[in-house]
Amino acid sequence: QVILVESGGGVVQPGGSLRISCIASGFAFRTYAMHWVRQAPGKGLEWVAVISSDGNYQNHGDSMKGRFTVSRDNSENTLYLQLTSLRDEDTAVYHCARETAPHREFDYWGQGTLVTVSS
Amino acid sequence: EVVMTQSPATLPVSPGERVTLSCRASQSVGTKLAWFQQKPGQAPRLLIYSASTRATGIPARFSGSGSGTEFTLTISSLQSDDFAVYSCQQYSDWYTFGQGTKLEIK
Repeated sequence: QVILVESGGGVVQPGGSLRISCIASGFAFRTYAMHWVRQAPGKGLEWVAVISSDGNYQNHGDSMKGRFTVSRDNSENTLYLQLTSLRDEDTAVYHCARETAPHREFDYWGQGTLVTVSS
Repeated sequence: EVVMTQSPATLPVSPGERVTLSCRASQSVGTKLAWFQQKPGQAPRLLIYSASTRATGIPARFSGSGSGTEFTLTISSLQSDDFAVYSCQQYSDWYTFGQGTKLEIK
């Protein structure tokens, strides 16, 4: 079955950096576009980033551009999100999600990893 | 940005009730609309995509309708396992989510 497991979250100071990961199993990872979506405490879901199946195309939400970078290693079935210049408002649970063609819905999600930005 | 508005924020309901949740888009998204169920500490679960298509393994008591800017998720007979937060998402113009509707026990 499809399994997505995030890791790498933790406590980081404002202005700091962190890389979080999402390991995929149970499907042909290299053939799917993947997303990061976050949820701040008490808030709704917020889209963070997308990367194409081959990794050649990426895009990020407006408030993350220039600070976050999505990447992937298809040989390791792993999705990454590099977070830099972190702010208090970046505190959230970060989920990875698979996008399925042809309708582009997010059909499988991981449980998430918590990133806390605090001094 | 397409703003998704869900109402109500919280809905007290009883098992066995028919439940209707609303989601409104600030501009037309066609049928590029999905519904998710979230429980604390769990991954979001896709219920409905393309506004009205049930995802794999989703019980028939869940149904979605609407197009353009007005959408509805209906649970025909609420089960105890259905108490959760329900969020809508548009994927017509990038991706935005509603704030969610929490079903709580009346």
